[in-house]
Amino acid sequence: DTGVSQNPRHKITKRGQNVTFRCDPISEHNRLYWYRQTLGQGPEFLTYFQNEAQLEKSRLLSDRFSAERPKGSFSTLEIQRTEQGDSAMYLCATRGLAGDNEQFFGPGTRLTVL
Amino acid sequence: QQQVKQSPQSLIVQKGGISIINCAYENTAFDYFPWYQQFPGKGPALLIAIRPDVSEKKEGRFTISFNKSAKQFSLHIMDSQPGDSATYFCAASRGANDYKLSFGAGTTVTVRA
Repeated sequence: DTGVSQNPRHKITKRGQNVTFRCDPISEHNRLYWYRQTLGQGPEFLTYFQNEAQLEKSRLLSDRFSAERPKGSFSTLEIQRTEQGDSAMYLCATRGLAGDNEQFFGPGTRLTVL
Repeated sequence: QQQVKQSPQSLIVQKGGISIINCAYENTAFDYFPWYQQFPGKGPALLIAIRPDVSEKKEGRFTISFNKSAKQFSLHIMDSQPGDSATYFCAASRGANDYKLSFGAGTTVTVRA
């Protein structure tokens, strides 16, 4: 257990529905990252926050995706009008002290879009 | 476009043997190279990491070898154990700015008892 928690752990939804995932970081970790991992592949970067500011978004993050980190604490990732291609593991990672590159990953949320 | 290429896709090794996984990168701005271990249904966990100012780093049975001129790095798992059966990912990031990780596609290691 890295101290990064994600909820829910599993989500099954029908195509066209909206879903929201939550990530609770290790306290005092100011950087928070979202990655997506499809079966048999490595995680791919989606977006990251420094405190409450969203500093970068990948081209993978279409207009249907939105992420927030109010008050620089927990973060949410919302997918609107889900598509079958959105089925993946969504991973959250957090990073702490400046100069220390290590990112601690949560257990992920497995999304299945039917 | 995958910035880090990893091979092999899978490997099988006998208990006590050596597992070797190789990675190559193109972006010379990368300055941090971690290896992550992932078990089914779990998030990746940092195993060992290296910076380009050293050519080798060893932690227990795990060793990273780094060749800056060839832009390649590898993970050696010595005395492989059944508990090492997992998927291993190499990754790279730029430390100066965002630290976002670019991952390889992963290697599934199976250790036979």
